[in-house]
Amino acid sequence: KQEVTQIPAALSVPEGENLVLNCSFTDSAIYNLQWFRQDPGKGLTSLLLIQSSQREQTSGRLNASLDKSSGRSTLYIAASQPGDSATYLCAVKEGGSEKLVFGKGTKLTVNP
Amino acid sequence: EAGVTQSPTHLIKTRGQQVTLRCSPISGHTSVYWYQQALGLGLQFLLWYDEGEERNRGNFPPRFSGRQFPNYSSELNVNALELEDSALYLCASSLHLYGGRQETQYFGPGTRLLVL
Repeated sequence: KQEVTQIPAALSVPEGENLVLNCSFTDSAIYNLQWFRQDPGKGLTSLLLIQSSQREQTSGRLNASLDKSSGRSTLYIAASQPGDSATYLCAVKEGGSEKLVFGKGTKLTVNP
Repeated sequence: EAGVTQSPTHLIKTRGQQVTLRCSPISGHTSVYWYQQALGLGLQFLLWYDEGEERNRGNFPPRFSGRQFPNYSSELNVNALELEDSALYLCASSLHLYGGRQETQYFGPGTRLLVL
């Protein structure tokens, strides 16, 4: 059974700092991995999707990497801003299934 | 282009009642997914519908059911509500390309259900 773990569960940083969020998964047979952002009480916003054949994806200040063999992904946020404060969720799409398996998220607070 | 929409936004029910949640996918998307986000449990996959058919189901009891209509909108029904059904229910949609490139799932704002 696929399990996704995100570390740390919560992170508080000063504005301007570069930071890394970690995601690990137990079964490397995945189609893709997605990083989402969730604001309190709201739905999810897709940030980056990495196909299983890819190693990384970049969008603006965000960079996500994928190492399938070791079951790890990282989300790098450069020059963090207070508006980046949210919960960041990692999810993998399993091979042979359309369902996403989510981690419990990392709650990020960027202090002005 | 309109995103995924869900209704209602909030709902309060009592134990034993039944509830119906609704979802309209992004125009052109044929797949609809339902997820439950209960406090402390994280997001759990509930159901996947594509082209009007249930394609996959998560580890939930049969009192969780749904359907997809010809216009690809979807309903999630929960019968005999229990206190632990209190959660944010999220709907997502995507294009579904069999054997092709995997598409992003786009999420709606969710319906927050409170069972008293």
